[in-house]
Amino acid sequence: ELKVEQNPLFLSMQEGKNYTIYCNYSTTSDRLYWYRQDPGKSLESLFVLLSNGAVKQEGRLMASLDTKARLSTLHITAAVHDLSATYFCAVDKWAGNQFYFGTGTSLTVIP
Amino acid sequence: DAGITQSPRHKVTETGTPVTLRCHQTENHRYMYWYRQDPGHGLRLIHYSYGVKDTDKGEVSDGYSVSRSKTEDFLLTLESATSSQTSVYFCAISERALPEAFFGQGTRLTVV
Repeated sequence: ELKVEQNPLFLSMQEGKNYTIYCNYSTTSDRLYWYRQDPGKSLESLFVLLSNGAVKQEGRLMASLDTKARLSTLHITAAVHDLSATYFCAVDKWAGNQFYFGTGTSLTVIP
Repeated sequence: DAGITQSPRHKVTETGTPVTLRCHQTENHRYMYWYRQDPGHGLRLIHYSYGVKDTDKGEVSDGYSVSRSKTEDFLLTLESATSSQTSVYFCAISERALPEAFFGQGTRLTVV
């Protein structure tokens, strides 16, 4: 059974601080995705990581992938309130376009 | 936004009644998916399709069936709705050349 685990599940952080969200998965996969979801909304694609060592950055968010450790991280730099949302990682099982999601990390950035 | 339309967007139904949710895409993507989202569980894959009339089960398929008679439409049916199927249902699409999945707006289903 494929497992995708995120931690923490809930994160409350002050504006201006840095933090990292972790995504561990149990299957062999070279494809890892990060999504953002605002309350009551759909999921928005943030990053697509397609190989070991891949690193992508967009604004205050940076994602990386270590396929040997089966670990991806989403690093938040100098958090701002607009980053408050739920973040999901997802793994593509066997690179066969089957997407399995973690439980999500609910991030609240406090002024 | 990817051209994905889910209908209905909200539905309240009684236990034991059949319910069909529709996902329509205008992107001509090969793969289509149904997920349910529940607090503490993230998104869980119900069924997916890799082509017309080609479908397979996901991790939580019990109590659900799907059909795909055209590339653009993927239907999810709850044959006899139960309260445990109260959830938000998301449709998604993907294509091999574009590895990520794109999501519809979701359908909030309440079974009373």
